Amino acid sequence: QQQVKQSPQSLIVQKGGISIINCAYENTAFDYFPWYQQFPGKGPALLIAIRPDVSEKKEGRFTISFNKSAKQFSLHIMDSQPGDSATYFCAAHVRYTGNQFYFGTGTSLTVIP
Amino acid sequence: NAGVTQTPKFQVLKTGQSMTLQCAQDMNHNSMYWYRQDPGMGLRLIYYSASEGTTDKGEVPNGYNVSRLNKREFSLRLESAAPSQTSVYFCASRGTVDYNEQFFGPGTRLTVL
Repeated sequence: QQQVKQSPQSLIVQKGGISIINCAYENTAFDYFPWYQQFPGKGPALLIAIRPDVSEKKEGRFTISFNKSAKQFSLHIMDSQPGDSATYFCAAHVRYTGNQFYFGTGTSLTVIP
Repeated sequence: NAGVTQTPKFQVLKTGQSMTLQCAQDMNHNSMYWYRQDPGMGLRLIYYSASEGTTDKGEVPNGYNVSRLNKREFSLRLESAAPSQTSVYFCASRGTVDYNEQFFGPGTRLTVL
């Protein structure tokens, strides 16, 4: 059973456009929600993260929107660039099972020049 | 400061063979993790070690064993490889402060024939 559900599976956006990736969860024990970026042949790297007591976090062109009541969070990439083409994973952290992270299934983003 | 290193980078095994994937980190992190990444499945936790001398099962531990050799090193062993274990394996480490990010290694691509 997938603890964190991510959509869409793939996304194609024009350069300068907005990329939006969505995630949903059920477990209210999750207490930290990071997004990871992964380029081909590389390991995932932390992009941006949010705690559930905050509704939005922005770092440069990347923004996380968090809706605690709906148990949903999303990544927005403004002014998308070809260099943003990568796979993006959302994740959720839970402390009571030994600080485990549960990952979404990933979104392959392609930004067309 | 190499971060998280993994060896080997690629490996091909025949069904029934055994092998050990090596992971080391130089960030003095207490927690270390082993994940497998499969298309459409995201990253799934195999085993983790919250501190030197302790290991615990994650979501998909069957067919694997781990050893936390010391604070730096965390190895993953496949005793009798099966084609279902064909995957990309990532090691990660994490500091002790809450919400610290996980740092991932470059991965090991394993094919079991």
